Amino acid sequence: EDQVTQSPEALRLQEGESSSLNCSYTVSGLRGLFWYRQDPGKGPEFLFTLYSAGEEKEKERLKATLTKKESFLHITAPKPEDSATYLCAVDTFNQAGTALIFGKGTTLSVSS
Amino acid sequence: EPEVTQTPSHQVTQMGQEVILRCVPISNHLYFYWYRQILGQKVEFLVSFYNNEISEKSEIFDDQFSVERPDGSNFTLKIRSTKLEDSAMYFCASSDRVGTGELFFGEGSRLTVL
Repeated sequence: EDQVTQSPEALRLQEGESSSLNCSYTVSGLRGLFWYRQDPGKGPEFLFTLYSAGEEKEKERLKATLTKKESFLHITAPKPEDSATYLCAVDTFNQAGTALIFGKGTTLSVSS
Repeated sequence: EPEVTQTPSHQVTQMGQEVILRCVPISNHLYFYWYRQILGQKVEFLVSFYNNEISEKSEIFDDQFSVERPDGSNFTLKIRSTKLEDSAMYFCASSDRVGTGELFFGEGSRLTVL
């Protein structure tokens, strides 16, 4: 069974304190791995797509990386507005390309 | 900026009643989706829809669920006979292509079944 596991479940940082979120996956064939941000009471908002091991994507204070077993979302010098739940999702070759499998997310709180 | 809109934002219903959740996807998108999130749990795929038919559906999407695109702009999810365990946030999403993982989600419709 395809699975996505995110850790930690929750992370508290001080403003400016860099850290990383982990997404490990067990799938039969990875088509793509995606990061989303979800604010309380809102729908997920797309951040990044990663297709192959070694690939990296950056956006402002966020950088996503991918290996054959896991992905990391690195947050450099976070600000309070980065507080949100960060979701990892995968698309696998078991499906027709339209069904994403999400992890439970990491809830990040950044205090000033 | 184009966005996916969903109505109602919150619906309370009695067990066994029919519910229709409505969505207006982004206008030039071709692929439409419903996901749900039970409180404190993962976002789960329900169904995808393309070219007026279902592309994929999950085990959750059983005979009590149906989707429809009744006109050129709306996309609906119907739950025929609601159960307590259907209480969740239901998200509609759309995309202009598949494979990129770039789905645009609405703000969700919270369904509470009593």
